[in-house]
Amino acid sequence: DAKTTQPPSMDCAEGRAANLPCNHSTISGNEYVYWYRQIHSQGPQYIIHGLKNNETNEMASLIITEDRKSSTLILPHATLRDTAVYYCIVLTSGTYKYIFGTGTRLKVLA
Amino acid sequence: DAGVIQSPRHEVTEMGQEVTLRCKPISGHNSLFWYRQTMMRGLELLIYFNNNVPIDDSGMPEDRFSAKMPNASFSTLKIQPSEPRDSAVYFCASSSWASGNTIYFGEGSWLTVV
Repeated sequence: DAKTTQPPSMDCAEGRAANLPCNHSTISGNEYVYWYRQIHSQGPQYIIHGLKNNETNEMASLIITEDRKSSTLILPHATLRDTAVYYCIVLTSGTYKYIFGTGTRLKVLA
Repeated sequence: DAGVIQSPRHEVTEMGQEVTLRCKPISGHNSLFWYRQTMMRGLELLIYFNNNVPIDDSGMPEDRFSAKMPNASFSTLKIQPSEPRDSAVYFCASSSWASGNTIYFGEGSWLTVV
């Protein structure tokens, strides 16, 4: 599985968009990008995933660059409850071996 | 729908005692995972099962750890004998082809070995 690189921490003002970057420069053609978050030692929560097209759901948007070497998770209107550690994971299609890195600790400020 | 259910939520035990953690995956899911989380090592995959069969146990730290999945709705992670360095949060997760490889985590079992 490809390795991912994320900044260790970020701050975001409440109500503003939070843009969380992830670098996965060694990603293969059949590998998906998944995003999870973990709020204060609760179980990690699935947010969104994609292969090469941009994706949007009720929680967030995922923007994947054309060369697929990086992606950005966008929380359009961050709230205090979005304060969490966000993990970017690359996963080969058909496999289940999720490898969690150190993630980005997002703090949403009032 | 009920999510992944883990028990106990918290356990404090003495070094040398046997610890059994339990997990009920989401109904219909055919893959189950055990993870461990510590401050030092983060989230580590210990073992995963597919259709009740262990597929990859390379993350199991040592022989003191064992995991079983006797049926599709139940799994256990056992530590015998327990040691203080086993103190961690243990997460169970499940997945299915229908969920598109997305895995869903339980709320974890907080283990403290004194």
